[in-house]
Amino acid sequence: EAQVTQNPRYLITVTGKKLTVTCSQNMNHEYMSWYRQDPGLGLRQIYYSMNVEVTDKGDVPEGYKVSRKEKRNFPLILESPSPNQTSLYFCASSLQGGNSPLHFGNGTRLTVT
Amino acid sequence: AQSVTQPDIHITVSEGASLELRCNYSYGATPYLFWYVQSPGQGLQLLLKYFSGDTLVQGIKGFEAEFKRSQSSFNLRKPSVHWSDAAEYFCAVGRLLEYGNKLVFGAGTILRVKS
Repeated sequence: EAQVTQNPRYLITVTGKKLTVTCSQNMNHEYMSWYRQDPGLGLRQIYYSMNVEVTDKGDVPEGYKVSRKEKRNFPLILESPSPNQTSLYFCASSLQGGNSPLHFGNGTRLTVT
Repeated sequence: AQSVTQPDIHITVSEGASLELRCNYSYGATPYLFWYVQSPGQGLQLLLKYFSGDTLVQGIKGFEAEFKRSQSSFNLRKPSVHWSDAAEYFCAVGRLLEYGNKLVFGAGTILRVKS
């Protein structure tokens, strides 16, 4: 089944403790992206990647890192999480960016205390 | 800069009634327009998209949307709502950049369906 898989689905952590949210897609998509969803703000793009080893900042990249060493994986790294990063995170992929429809994972709900 | 406005945060309709969700965008050129739906606990699923051509586009689950350039709108419609349509709906506008896919989402509209 074609899908985008994120792990974990739920994560509670403390301020400053490094964490990684994994994202993997099995559709051989070139493009991958991370979004955060906050009430009243919709989805905001954190980082995206057009291809392996090519990543760039979205609208809200501060406090986040990403890497794209393989086509299928695009982990999101929070080196020193803070409470304002408490949010619902989505990974998405598409065939080649641009006007290709996005396929979303089921989300990761992160709480930073 | 691109922006997307969904004026209605919540909408409640009766099952079987018609539905229209509003979306207005701000963008200098002809945009790529999308509607996504998010069911509780799920990721977003594409309902339909507009790139060019016929301004009335059909999507999945009986939804359609009409692009009106003069009004900068891309409203989503369904003639008869089912209880399973209760979800949050997001309008998005995108454009091709040299090095990325810039997609801007609206804040979403939560649809409640009453029986």
